[in-house]
Amino acid sequence: GESVGLHLPTLSVQEGDNSIINCAYSNSASDYFIWYKQESGKGPQFIIDIRSNMDKRQGQRVTVLLNKTVKHLSLQIAATQPGDSAVYFCAESGMDSSYKLIFGSGTRLLVRP
Amino acid sequence: GAGVSQSPSNKVTEKGKDVELRCDPISGHTALYWYRQSLGQGLEFLIYFQGNSAPDKSGLPSDRFSAERTGGSVSTLTIQRTQQEDSAVYLCASSFRDRHEQYFGPGTRLTVT
Repeated sequence: GESVGLHLPTLSVQEGDNSIINCAYSNSASDYFIWYKQESGKGPQFIIDIRSNMDKRQGQRVTVLLNKTVKHLSLQIAATQPGDSAVYFCAESGMDSSYKLIFGSGTRLLVRP
Repeated sequence: GAGVSQSPSNKVTEKGKDVELRCDPISGHTALYWYRQSLGQGLEFLIYFQGNSAPDKSGLPSDRFSAERTGGSVSTLTIQRTQQEDSAVYLCASSFRDRHEQYFGPGTRLTVT
């Protein structure tokens, strides 16, 4: 069935470096993609989203890239900080009339001081 | 402002008992979602309410699971005759009508012994 998956379950980066978290999606009918950050014991927190008519969107220290040709999504975090340590989830939506999100399994980002 | 709240934060129950989980969405949000997150996994869609429309129940795993939303605000997720495989964190999210961006509560951790 349709699924959203991640290439790397754990990513370890040095504080100050840039982080790239990747995600593959399988439903070409999806028209909305979103990244969430989840810290231990908390609910997911919105980071950034992108619609299928765009290929790049920038926020504060974060950039999301969408490659519809290969159905690939990535989250780039600039100058990674210890507070960025968390599990990151990508999700897709819009493949039907519902706004429900289909989530990937998550990538844990560890920031080394 | 107040975010999505959920209660209880933790619930331990014996196998075979019924449980009720509560969600208070953000004021003004007409859409409400329930998701389930098993240990170390991504979020699994359960059910979606939008205004007065019939809910999308396509994600409910069995007929032991049900949910209602009273007055277009508070929602209750009920699990009857709980099983050990029901142990998970149950997350609620809300959003404005016709908007993909969902805001999550902290979740209820359910443990079935």
